[in-house]
Amino acid sequence: NAGVTQTPKFQVLKTGQSMTLQCAQDMNHNSMYWYRQDPGMGLRLIYYSASEGTTDKGEVPNGYNVSRLNKREFSLRLESAAPSQTSVYFCASSDPGGSSYNEQFFGPGTRLTVL
Amino acid sequence: AQRVTQPEKLLSVFKGAPVELKCNYSYSGSPELFWYVQYSRQRLQLLLRHISRESIKGFTADLNKGETSFHLKKPFAQEEDSAMYYCALSQGGSEKLVFGKGMKLTVNP
Repeated sequence: NAGVTQTPKFQVLKTGQSMTLQCAQDMNHNSMYWYRQDPGMGLRLIYYSASEGTTDKGEVPNGYNVSRLNKREFSLRLESAAPSQTSVYFCASSDPGGSSYNEQFFGPGTRLTVL
Repeated sequence: AQRVTQPEKLLSVFKGAPVELKCNYSYSGSPELFWYVQYSRQRLQLLLRHISRESIKGFTADLNKGETSFHLKKPFAQEEDSAMYYCALSQGGSEKLVFGKGMKLTVNP
């Protein structure tokens, strides 16, 4: 039971390049989230998905797109990376109606640097 | 709008000292409050939630609706408590969380 996994762990991009961050969970959770963590800013929600096939914007969605491929997987895409997107990205999942009562389970993070 | 404020970014104490990590929130409805913790090189994880009224690793937090606060307390800090602590709020019934900016606790030997 791996919980929430993310790939890659580290990535360096040049301005204008694109990439997709992958996230998967094996806990059969309905809800999944993408956050970015910046020094002094805490965690800010980029996008979330309440169920397979649905996505919604969070606090800081500009410059990102997401795809909920199936119940397990939720990917985050940067179409044209900018230095302002240098951050640590966390994926999380939760089962709001389940026994864990809306506890969010986090992945290990992806450290992204945009030059 | 929902907002979570952690007024202090850093707190450094000696082992055995009491600690209080402050959290204030703004929300007009019935909030659900959480404390998450991130130890060095580990994942962010739930520490405790107000609805459970539990004590985890010696930490407690009481929701004070009058003062709109959810301060985290521990009477005797341990070195292993050193970590980043985040207060978070969800609108009653919502699965989305709003996080505070976090606070780094360092417990010195």
